Amino acid sequence: AQSVTQLGSHVSVSEGALVLLRCNYSSSVPPYLFWYVQYPNQGLQLLLKYTSAATLVKGINGFEAEFKKSETSFHLTKPSAHMSDAAEYFCAVSVPNFGNEKLTFGTGTRLTIIP
Amino acid sequence: DTAVSQTPKYLVTQMGNDKSIKCEQNLGHDTMYWYKQDSKKFLKIMFSYNNKELIINETVPNRFSPKSPDKAHLNLHINSLELGDSAVYFCASSLTLTGYEQYFGPGTRLTVT
Repeated sequence: AQSVTQLGSHVSVSEGALVLLRCNYSSSVPPYLFWYVQYPNQGLQLLLKYTSAATLVKGINGFEAEFKKSETSFHLTKPSAHMSDAAEYFCAVSVPNFGNEKLTFGTGTRLTIIP
Repeated sequence: DTAVSQTPKYLVTQMGNDKSIKCEQNLGHDTMYWYKQDSKKFLKIMFSYNNKELIINETVPNRFSPKSPDKAHLNLHINSLELGDSAVYFCASSLTLTGYEQYFGPGTRLTVT
């Protein structure tokens, strides 16, 4: 079975500071990993994805994530936070399963940006 | 152009009623999904369809019945609504079943009173 743990349901950073949102996964086979962002009253938007190519993945809006197999982690970072980054962030995992793949989401991290 | 659209955006109804939510994608994707997001923002898959065929039914009560008339549409009908059905329901689509990102609709906020 696959699962995702997001450490920290709320993270606050100052504008211009580093953003680090943590995600650890559990999977018996090499996974696909995703980060999604949800702005208030909107659907989820894909930030980036890891599908077994480069371990450092760059996404939209200056975000990136690094797949570390030894640590079973896929943490999301951004060097300099912007006010518009305030949102809910979800890490998700899926594994190849003969067509029965499904996305399993973490519980989300609410990012607040302090002016 | 909206990639994945849902109607209605808001739905307020009383316990015991039957309601439907419609979803359409114009991305040419083969696979569509329904998710439920509860009040704590936890997202859980309910169903997936691939080319109109049900693939995943994640132990959802049989009061929930998805229907896919064609691969661009996936509707969700809910019978005998209960208070616990109050949530935001998201439709999503992906190119196909394996390894592709999912594109989400804007959500339908269902409130059962």
